[in-house]
Amino acid sequence: EAGVAQSPRYKIIEKRQSVAFWCNPISGHATLYWYQQILGQGPKLLIQFQNNGVVDDSQLPKDRFSAERLKGVDSTLKIQPAKLEDSAVYLCASSQTLAGPDTQYFGPGTRLTVL
Amino acid sequence: QQQVKQSPQSLIVQKGGISIINCAYENTAFDYFPWYQQFPGKGPALLIAIRPDVSEKKEGRFTISFNKSAKQFSLHIMDSQPGDSATYFCAARALNQAGTALIFGKGTTLSVSS
Repeated sequence: EAGVAQSPRYKIIEKRQSVAFWCNPISGHATLYWYQQILGQGPKLLIQFQNNGVVDDSQLPKDRFSAERLKGVDSTLKIQPAKLEDSAVYLCASSQTLAGPDTQYFGPGTRLTVL
Repeated sequence: QQQVKQSPQSLIVQKGGISIINCAYENTAFDYFPWYQQFPGKGPALLIAIRPDVSEKKEGRFTISFNKSAKQFSLHIMDSQPGDSATYFCAARALNQAGTALIFGKGTTLSVSS
């Protein structure tokens, strides 16, 4: 079974530029999550989708971050404009269902550096 | 009330020793407590998880101990090996609340010396 795929793996941009990350979840997984992991901290949820609908985006800084999951499969996370404090690893995860003790499978992440 | 507090921040254990990582929570609605293991450059991977209806769960060298009254749970790694050197995160979730995601602790960096 292929894992969660993310690209790019690394990205360096200047502040105020825009950037986009892509995620392809495990085939058949209905639920997709985007997490932000700042160095030295645990992952923090930004947004979660069930199929192509948003379940929770309460911690997404909507003035600069946006995400979509077209056709309930792949997802993109965009930051525009980026700030220095956005430097972090952005992790995508997927699970089969939203409810229950369902294992979340994480991708390798995209390391973003904002200069 | 949504926090999960994890300690220690870092841990050095000799090969063959026992590694112990502790977590505490406040939200009594939490009813699913997984531990994730993360190697450098990789995403976190589920190691072991427990529901509060049991006080202990063991899988190989890894054991979760759960104390519902104290709202604490811990990970024990027996016979620690250099390959166990990684960052470990505890997490919690309220399964009966649809849409709630995992709340992670800040992580513990474990180094097992040979």
